[in-house]
Amino acid sequence: GQNIDQPTEMTATEGAIVQINCTYQTSGFNGLFWYQQHAGEAPTFLSYNVLDGLEEKGRFSSFLSRSKGYSYLLLKELQMKDSASYLCAVRDPGNQGGKLIFGQGTELSVKP
Amino acid sequence: GAGVSQSPSNKVTEKGKDVELRCDPISGHTALYWYRQSLGQGLEFLIYFQGNSAPDKSGLPSDRFSAERTGGSVSTLTIQRTQQEDSAVYLCASSPTAGHTEAFFGQGTRLTVV
Repeated sequence: GQNIDQPTEMTATEGAIVQINCTYQTSGFNGLFWYQQHAGEAPTFLSYNVLDGLEEKGRFSSFLSRSKGYSYLLLKELQMKDSASYLCAVRDPGNQGGKLIFGQGTELSVKP
Repeated sequence: GAGVSQSPSNKVTEKGKDVELRCDPISGHTALYWYRQSLGQGLEFLIYFQGNSAPDKSGLPSDRFSAERTGGSVSTLTIQRTQQEDSAVYLCASSPTAGHTEAFFGQGTRLTVV
């Protein structure tokens, strides 16, 4: 079966650092993605990990441990505009090579 | 077009009616996905097309739901005999290939069944 878990909500302060965790149990694995979704808008791509370790891109970093079925998204120097839902997704290779399975999303609120 | 285009952006329909939702992927993208998102929820996988291969329909919630992709480009998601629980935002995404790292999402169609 497919199971992807994230915290439902998180709150952080402007300028601070926040870590959003994601654990997964899937029948197959071919990469883990993080997407950002502002209210009423389409999801936009943030990061991709397929090998263990940390990927850094500006204020955002993403970490993957395949043996633990675990990833986190790290947001530094938080800004008010970072208030959004953050979606963790796993690519299930299946028989077509690309199906993305999403978690429920973590609603992040950044306070002044 | 520059991005994934979905139409209509909003659709209100009466319970029991059929609806068709359209997705125009980015030109040249071979992979196309349909997802459903209920209010405050994550993305629920519905169906996935990759090139000329048979689609992965494992996420379709019932036989009232079907989708096709003509000519490897435009896709239509059809919901027959709509029910109130079908009310949600239906999102379409495309990517250049199945193995591409990023899927690009359209703005979605907000479906309301009354």
